[in-house]
Amino acid sequence: DAMVIQNPRYQVTQFGKPVTLSCSQTLNHNVMYWYQQKSSQAPKLLFHYYDKDFNNEADTPDNFQSRRPNTSFCFLDIRSPGLGDAAMYLCATSRDWEGPLQHFGDGTRLSIL
Amino acid sequence: AQKVTQAQTEISVVEKEDVTLDCVYETRDTTYYLFWYKQPPSGELVFLIRRNSFDEQNEISGRYSWNFQKSTSSFNFTITASQVVDSAVYFCALEDSSYKLIFGSGTRLLVRP
Repeated sequence: DAMVIQNPRYQVTQFGKPVTLSCSQTLNHNVMYWYQQKSSQAPKLLFHYYDKDFNNEADTPDNFQSRRPNTSFCFLDIRSPGLGDAAMYLCATSRDWEGPLQHFGDGTRLSIL
Repeated sequence: AQKVTQAQTEISVVEKEDVTLDCVYETRDTTYYLFWYKQPPSGELVFLIRRNSFDEQNEISGRYSWNFQKSTSSFNFTITASQVVDSAVYFCALEDSSYKLIFGSGTRLLVRP
């Protein structure tokens, strides 16, 4: 019954080695978001897609990229992960004509060795 | 600028006590939405409530209740007869017309047996 699915739940990568996190949804929502949440902090929006339109937050590092090949899937690419990128990454979706209500996945916890 | 303040960093109570989590927000928008999310140690964000700016009715759901007061820009959350399973970090959030969620810094609630 999971509607926003993030795989894997835990990801370990090496310093500087590119990593991709994935998010899929069965809700047919047109808006998808990626948040970064570091330990003991609030989730911070990295970027979001409104349909195919990509919206980057001004303070999102260039190291973070995203792809949305179709409505159901969205990927977060970290080109050269640093130790400071270790965090929980949360994907969320919403349907704009229903009013704001974001549905969150369970998150991927990323560790950097 | 939009801002959400949760002044209580951590609260510790004994089981069966009532506890109120405070949330104060700032926005220039006349239309906005307020949310509460629960984040247990496993990391997923669990949606608790959404309230729009035109609906100031208080809401009760089981042991949970919310008090929305536009005059003081507050949206406080009360847990009645707290249980150990209520231990989590609770986030208050604001969403305006830009489809972005702005989170408070969170309040960690510890309910001791």
